[in-house]
Amino acid sequence: KQEVTQIPAALSVPEGENLVLNCSFTDSAIYNLQWFRQDPGKGLTSLLLIQSSQREQTSGRLNASLDKSSGRSTLYIAASQPGDSATYLCAVTPSGTYKYIFGTGTRLKVLA
Amino acid sequence: DGGITQSPKYLFRKEGQNVTLSCEQNLNHDAMYWYRQDPGQGLRLIYYSQIVNDFQKGDIAEGYSVSREKKESFPLTVTSAQKNPTAFYLCASSIVAATDTQYFGPGTRLTVL
Repeated sequence: KQEVTQIPAALSVPEGENLVLNCSFTDSAIYNLQWFRQDPGKGLTSLLLIQSSQREQTSGRLNASLDKSSGRSTLYIAASQPGDSATYLCAVTPSGTYKYIFGTGTRLKVLA
Repeated sequence: DGGITQSPKYLFRKEGQNVTLSCEQNLNHDAMYWYRQDPGQGLRLIYYSQIVNDFQKGDIAEGYSVSREKKESFPLTVTSAQKNPTAFYLCASSIVAATDTQYFGPGTRLTVL
C-alpha cells in the first residue's frame, strides 16, 4: 500500500532563506507526483506536477525534483517571502489507479 | 473565469440528517473527485468519477453517496450513516483521471451540531 510522508510537519525560517521541503513515498510505481499549496481554510493550489519520466519541474522561485528509485521528491523554494507561508502538500498517483495519495503536509512560516 | 465552485462554504447538520454539498466546474474536465480533510491528516479520497454517469468508491466511501448526471456537476451527500462527518470537504477536477493536474475548489466546512 502506497504511503506518503512529509517531514518536518512544521518549519519556520527567516525571510530570504532558501529552503527545501521533503516528500517520501513507499512504492516507486507512480504515474506522477504533484506539489500543492494550501492556505488556512482554503482549497489547494497546484504548484508543480512531475510526470514519472521527468526528473524536475520549475516555476518561478520553485523547483521540484523527483527520484523515483529512492521514493523521494523535494520542493526547493528560493529567497523565501512571508507570502510563502502556507501548508505544502505532496501527492502521488500510484500506477494502475486513478487517485492521488496525499501526505499530511509541511506547515511553513516565513518570518519577516 | 474557469474554475471550481463549492457551496455552501459553511454547513451545519443536526444528527440524523442527510446533507448535500455542491460542486460545479466549468473547466470541461472529465474527472472529478471528493476528498475529506481532518486536522493533522492528509486528504482522503471519498469518491471519484472519471466520466459522466460513472463513479467509484475511494478509501472512505462509507456513509457518503454521489451522482454524476452532468459533466459539470458532482454533488456529495453526507448521510446519517456517516458517524463522524465534521470535516473540511474538498472537490477537485482534472482533464483526465490520474495523469493530469488536479484543480481544487475552495471547500465546504461541515459541522455536526
